[in-house]
Amino acid sequence: GAVVSQHPSWVICKSGTSVKIECRSLDFQATTMFWYRQFPKQSLMLMATSNEGSKATYEQGVEKDKFLINHASLTLSTLTVTSAHPEDSSFYICSARRGAEGETQYFGPGTRLLVL
Amino acid sequence: GDSVTQMEGPVTLSEEAFLTINCTYTATGYPSLFWYVQYPGEGLQLLLKATKADDKGSNKGFEATYRKETTSFHLEKGSVQVSDSAVYFCALRSGGSYIPTFGRGTSLIVHP
Repeated sequence: GAVVSQHPSWVICKSGTSVKIECRSLDFQATTMFWYRQFPKQSLMLMATSNEGSKATYEQGVEKDKFLINHASLTLSTLTVTSAHPEDSSFYICSARRGAEGETQYFGPGTRLLVL
Repeated sequence: GDSVTQMEGPVTLSEEAFLTINCTYTATGYPSLFWYVQYPGEGLQLLLKATKADDKGSNKGFEATYRKETTSFHLEKGSVQVSDSAVYFCALRSGGSYIPTFGRGTSLIVHP
């Protein structure tokens, strides 16, 4: 199978601090990883697409300086929420696309962020 | 732009009841349609898909038929189990994009 993990699964932080979320593909190489954000009772909203070794492509309305994405290897992408504020509290989900498989994305279990 | 509309949940059923979760979509061209399932504490998993009109996707007793005339892709199961309790997401993917557009998700709770 294709497994994607996220760490941590949940985090509580104080306003103004930065939080890093890791997304790992455990048994395959992910040429492309995606970061989504999900508000309660809302759909998953794509935040950015990251390709290994290159800069992430952000969706319209997503602040790239606020949500730093690094995809340094074929199995790891990180999302750093800088200077977090309560409005950043949300459920963050990553997914990974395996090689040239095209449409198939494998999703992580998500990270719940609560900013106090 | 593309959009997916799902019925609001939670849907609460007794074991062995019939399940329908409605999904309609708006898209240009001929999208592929998907249902994903998210069990508690896990990531989204692809449940089934259909790539053209009148196709029926099926998996684990779940079915959904691509209805172009009604732009719908309703999820059905004849007899639900407690283990089916999860959040179900309808999604579409248009043209050459590999990024799906998701609905809001529908929570299903099945009681013994």
